[in-house]
Amino acid sequence: EVQLEESGGGLVHPGGSLRLSCAGSGFIVNSHYMSWVRQAPGKGLEWVSVIYYGGETFYADSVKGRFTISRETSENTLWLQISNLRTEDTAVYYCARVAGYRSGRFRNYYMDVWGKGTSVTVAS
Amino acid sequence: QSVLTQPPSVSGAPGQRVTFSCTGSTSNIGVGYDVHWYQQLPGRAPKLLIFGNNNRPSGVPDRFSGSKSGTSASLAITGLQAEDEATYYCQSYDHSLSDWVFGGGTQVTVL
Repeated sequence: EVQLEESGGGLVHPGGSLRLSCAGSGFIVNSHYMSWVRQAPGKGLEWVSVIYYGGETFYADSVKGRFTISRETSENTLWLQISNLRTEDTAVYYCARVAGYRSGRFRNYYMDVWGKGTSVTVAS
Repeated sequence: QSVLTQPPSVSGAPGQRVTFSCTGSTSNIGVGYDVHWYQQLPGRAPKLLIFGNNNRPSGVPDRFSGSKSGTSASLAITGLQAEDEATYYCQSYDHSLSDWVFGGGTQVTVL
């Protein structure tokens, strides 16, 4: 069965750092685009970052320069290093496998497998 | 404020049909990017419901259907059931922002 499991969340002070992990099973993380999506308390979903299977990375403007997405082949794991945390970064962080296809002029991407999420609280 | 606009809530009686929209612009849905939908049950992670405007992954009941026209997309649920109470999010790609974007979510209540 294809599954994702996040860990590493917790309570951190503003300006602090955390490293979130997402362990994949039933598929090879390196063979897929992988993404992080977050959800602040009572709010909607916000895309955070993606890593392509070639290693290219992209970030939402709200986290650019503070968050780093990476992956570990031997552990079949996706990482998100989150630094210089702000109170507005408080959220449940989900990792998701990304699927893509071409339609007309564009390549389209969607998240076909999601983890259960890990909670990050930034507070003093 | 979300780049894709969804009504905050809709409701219907069991067995009824409900539809709701996801409105974008000429830099996302309108320029040709497809729309995907996710269902989030209370306290649970999101789950893929529809991809590529109107395609259901294996295991998703056929009473869920999607469509896209112009700068908008819609999700329809026919034969509404109590287990459909959830928040539904649309997602696409925005060419101007170079970001994947979500709608703000529509909470479906079964009366």
